[in-house]
Amino acid sequence: DGGITQSPKYLFRKEGQNVTLSCEQNLNHDAMYWYRQDPGQGLRLIYYSQIVNDFQKGDIAEGYSVSREKKESFPLTVTSAQKNPTAFYLCASSADRRYGYTFGSGTRLTVV
Amino acid sequence: GENVEQHPSTLSVQEGDSAVIKCTYSDSASNYFPWYKQELGKRPQLIIDIRSNVGEKKDQRIAVTLNKTAKHFSLHITETQPEDSAVYFCAAYNTNAGKSTFGDGTTLTVKP
Repeated sequence: DGGITQSPKYLFRKEGQNVTLSCEQNLNHDAMYWYRQDPGQGLRLIYYSQIVNDFQKGDIAEGYSVSREKKESFPLTVTSAQKNPTAFYLCASSADRRYGYTFGSGTRLTVV
Repeated sequence: GENVEQHPSTLSVQEGDSAVIKCTYSDSASNYFPWYKQELGKRPQLIIDIRSNVGEKKDQRIAVTLNKTAKHFSLHITETQPEDSAVYFCAAYNTNAGKSTFGDGTTLTVKP
């Protein structure tokens, strides 16, 4: 069953901690994306990657980091430099520029 | 960069009525315009899309129109049903940049 899997579903972070959100896809998609969703707001792009070993900053990259060592995986690290990390994080992938995104089910991150 | 504005932010209709959501974009290099539906607590899902060489596209009760000259596109839902209640997002995809910019979303409520 092809799809895109995000884990964990819920994540709690203490002040000053780095945490990593997982995103794995078995759709053989080249492009992968990370978006942040806050209540009542749209989706804001954090980072994206068109191919393995290459990624670009999105509109709100500060305080986040990513890697793309494998086509299937695009993990997002929320660092302690991100001062307001509480949000819903969505990972997406796309076959190529002719198609829309397939989204994961999201990770809800809360600072405690 | 690209800027996408979406209106209205909330829309309430009676079951059976039509609903229209409008989006404008700023970058003439954008050439692909998907629409996503996000039900409460779930991932966004692609429901319809349109490319810049097409003016209108229909899929059963939903349709999308595009006016490239005016840089706006709209989602039309006819014969609305309670299960159409969700948040709808428009997006503009820029092939050169390799990413989509999303509108802030429209919360559609269909009252039985």
